Amino acid sequence: DAKTTQPTSMDCAEGRAANLPCNHSTISGNEYVYWYRQIHSQGPQYIIHGLKNNETNEMASLIITEDRKSSTLILPHATLRDTAVYYCIAYSGGGADGLTFGKGTHLIIQP
Amino acid sequence: GAVVSQHPSRVICKSGTSVKIECRSLDFQATTMFWYRQFPKKSLMLMATSNEGSKATYEQGVEKDKFLINHASLTLSTLTVTSAHPEDSSFYICSVIGLSGNTIYFGEGSWLTVV
Repeated sequence: DAKTTQPTSMDCAEGRAANLPCNHSTISGNEYVYWYRQIHSQGPQYIIHGLKNNETNEMASLIITEDRKSSTLILPHATLRDTAVYYCIAYSGGGADGLTFGKGTHLIIQP
Repeated sequence: GAVVSQHPSRVICKSGTSVKIECRSLDFQATTMFWYRQFPKKSLMLMATSNEGSKATYEQGVEKDKFLINHASLTLSTLTVTSAHPEDSSFYICSVIGLSGNTIYFGEGSWLTVV
């Protein structure tokens, strides 16, 4: 799976949109971009994934650049409960292999 | 609701003893489950892939005789830490693949403390 690069930490004010960037310049054509988050002492929580097109669900939006070399996860109205480590992962799916986690971004929502 | 359930959520055991952690897929049958380990302030590290009805596949550096994995049914995989030592103290997390094959769901994790 392609390596991803994320900032180590970010701050965001409560109620504002949190934009988390991810670089995946070596992503291959069959790899999706996945986002998970991990709140302290819990298992990772699936957020969203996409291949080429932008995606939106009840939790977040995923914006993928046209060349697919980077993406941004957007939490539209961040709350204190969104404080967590966010992982961006390139994964080809299919279920044969597990996910490879990098260090992620520690997002801190400030009151 | 939860898709994956782990038990126990926390366990303390004495050095030299063995401890079993269960991972259950609640909503669907899972032929493949994954086991991860996470040390404090570190990222998740894949330990092994658990395959129903066959032997688990271990990542490089993970001792298969120390971390026994049994995936006897389509909804249950167990990880047994044998002859546990304090350095085995960690957060152990399992995951299952969703029906589409494109989403992986994680359990709540199990904290193991070896004293």
